[in-house]
Amino acid sequence: DTAVSQTPKYLVTQMGNDKSIKCEQNLGHDTMYWYKQDSKKFLKIMFSYNNKELIINETVPNRFSPKSPDKAHLNLHINSLELGDSAVYFCASSRQGLGTQYFGPGTRLLVL
Amino acid sequence: GESVGLHLPTLSVQEGDNSIINCAYSNSASDYFIWYKQESGKGPQFIIDIRSNMDKRQGQRVTVLLNKTVKHLSLQIAATQPGDSAVYFCAENTRNSGGSNYKLTFGKGTLLTVNP
Repeated sequence: DTAVSQTPKYLVTQMGNDKSIKCEQNLGHDTMYWYKQDSKKFLKIMFSYNNKELIINETVPNRFSPKSPDKAHLNLHINSLELGDSAVYFCASSRQGLGTQYFGPGTRLLVL
Repeated sequence: GESVGLHLPTLSVQEGDNSIINCAYSNSASDYFIWYKQESGKGPQFIIDIRSNMDKRQGQRVTVLLNKTVKHLSLQIAATQPGDSAVYFCAENTRNSGGSNYKLTFGKGTLLTVNP
């Protein structure tokens, strides 16, 4: 069974559209994360949620809104998509208080 | 190929050789370090970790060395195989000011290519 899963795997959309990416983990972890990986493979944290509570928000534009309906899910909604949003977005999870994070397979977003 | 335009540090080795990937970290308060492997089209995968109270940790074919004096981390892969070809990231884990939450900061990544 997949530990951290994301949908969709690929997302191609027009500038200005609104889209959502979903993430689910079945590891029983308390903490979930969203990362953005750019074309140069640089991986940067965007958000972190612990037990459905936002604990890290790394100066991400407010067009990005994470939502955690329960501690096994962390979704990312993006409004008014821009060309610069094109990237691979990774979800990850970990146990609270421990650093090892387990990553999903990524969502490849292309904004045209 | 995939490496064009990436401007990642690269390491090319022959199959069977040992590989050493280096990483400099920035925060002397970081207390936990992790190496991740990212294969093409996949998410980062945990390889090995080390806490700041250690200077060496060994896994299966991999060894991580930590030098806190110069804030340097290295990953050694013994008898490198074609399946080891990937981008390798070091990550430093720092607690927030309240001490209850952790944040991983990733290094730039090194592209390892293993030639058969």
